[in-house]
Amino acid sequence: KNEVEQSPQNLTAQEGEFITINCSYSVGISALHWLQQHPGGGIVSLFMLSSGKKKHGRLIATINIQEKHSSLHITASHPRDSAVYICAVRSRGVGGNKLVFGAGTILRVKS
Amino acid sequence: ETGVTQSPTHLIKTRGQQVTLRCSSQSGHNTVSWYQQALGQGPQFIFQYYREEENGRGNFPPRFSGLQFPNYSSELNVNALELDDSALYLCASSLGPGGHTGELFFGEGSRLTVL
Repeated sequence: KNEVEQSPQNLTAQEGEFITINCSYSVGISALHWLQQHPGGGIVSLFMLSSGKKKHGRLIATINIQEKHSSLHITASHPRDSAVYICAVRSRGVGGNKLVFGAGTILRVKS
Repeated sequence: ETGVTQSPTHLIKTRGQQVTLRCSSQSGHNTVSWYQQALGQGPQFIFQYYREEENGRGNFPPRFSGLQFPNYSSELNVNALELDDSALYLCASSLGPGGHTGELFFGEGSRLTVL
């Protein structure tokens, strides 16, 4: 079992729909990152969370530390939101600080 | 634009060769981390440097090594290249190494092909 699990792996939505991407992790963490990656490779950091909830435009990220779970929500989705969304957790292990990534969720928003 | 620049953007090497990839961090950021992303997969953490010292490492062999310079720019060196080293190599800078200060700013990556 991976330390960070994302669901769903693939998601197709109609423009305007409300979208939720989930992330569960099994290790103790100091922070959780939500990242967006467009074709071609560039990664953009959307949120860094250690508790509670953050909102930026149409994006909302929540984290429940006790349940080891985070969600990324997109309201009023748009085709330009089509990308891979990656959850990554920062933890401290034998090798020091490390970042563990989920496999990503491929989102396609159709117009 | 994040202010993190990587070079070269693309390169081709043959098995057994060595490669050096470079990353200039965002101004004021003292932490750089490196990631390997194979095609169709999520990034894998290679290592992290904080104030010129390695302070975290993933499951990569010793032929993956790095440096961080006093200006906080960084290099990733890979010796004895193997075909499986073909990947996109990403670096990210942050203000600090830990959870509360570690918002990440990524470069566009260096795409390495090993033939």
